[in-house]
Amino acid sequence: GQNIDQPTEMTATEGAIVQINCTYQTSGFNGLFWYQQHAGEAPTFLSYNVLDGLEEKGRFSSFLSRSKGYSYLLLKELQMKDSASYLCAVRDQTGANNLFFGTGTRLTVIP
Amino acid sequence: EADIYQTPRYLVIGTGKKITLECSQTMGHDKMYWYQQDPGMELHLIHYSYGVNSTEKGDLSSESTVSRIRTEHFPLTLESARPSHTSQYLCASSEYGRGADTQYFGPGTRLTVL
Repeated sequence: GQNIDQPTEMTATEGAIVQINCTYQTSGFNGLFWYQQHAGEAPTFLSYNVLDGLEEKGRFSSFLSRSKGYSYLLLKELQMKDSASYLCAVRDQTGANNLFFGTGTRLTVIP
Repeated sequence: EADIYQTPRYLVIGTGKKITLECSQTMGHDKMYWYQQDPGMELHLIHYSYGVNSTEKGDLSSESTVSRIRTEHFPLTLESARPSHTSQYLCASSEYGRGADTQYFGPGTRLTVL
């Protein structure tokens, strides 16, 4: 089976940096994805990690440690439009390589 | 990024009606998926397909059925809708077996069954 944990809610200030953590347990890890989902909308792809280390993409970075079953998403220079839910999803090769999603972290950016 | 479309975006119907939610993608992706998501909850996979004539059940049991007659089209059908089917339904597609196999999502259909 799969178990994915991330904080339910976070609040951060505009212009600041925020780190959203995700821990997972899965029998056939084959990659970790982060998605952004605004209220009432579809998830949009942010980042993908399959090897240990940091992947940087503009204001967003994602880190993975496979030995610790741990990832984080780092958002820099926060903007009001970054207020959304951030979904951690793990691909499991024992589960037909499908994605298994956490419940998401709802980030609120305040002025 | 994939172009993936869903219709209708919103649907309000009465109990017992048969409905079909449409999903189409124009990127030639092999693998397609249907997820169900209740407000504030995680996405649950209800159906997926590896390609034409392939359909598989996901990890969440669903009374809906799917078909895959064409690569680009993956409709979901409920024969007799009930209030418990009220939810958001999200369709996604990916290039299975190539690169990151990233899933791209359609805009979703918000279904309300009265």
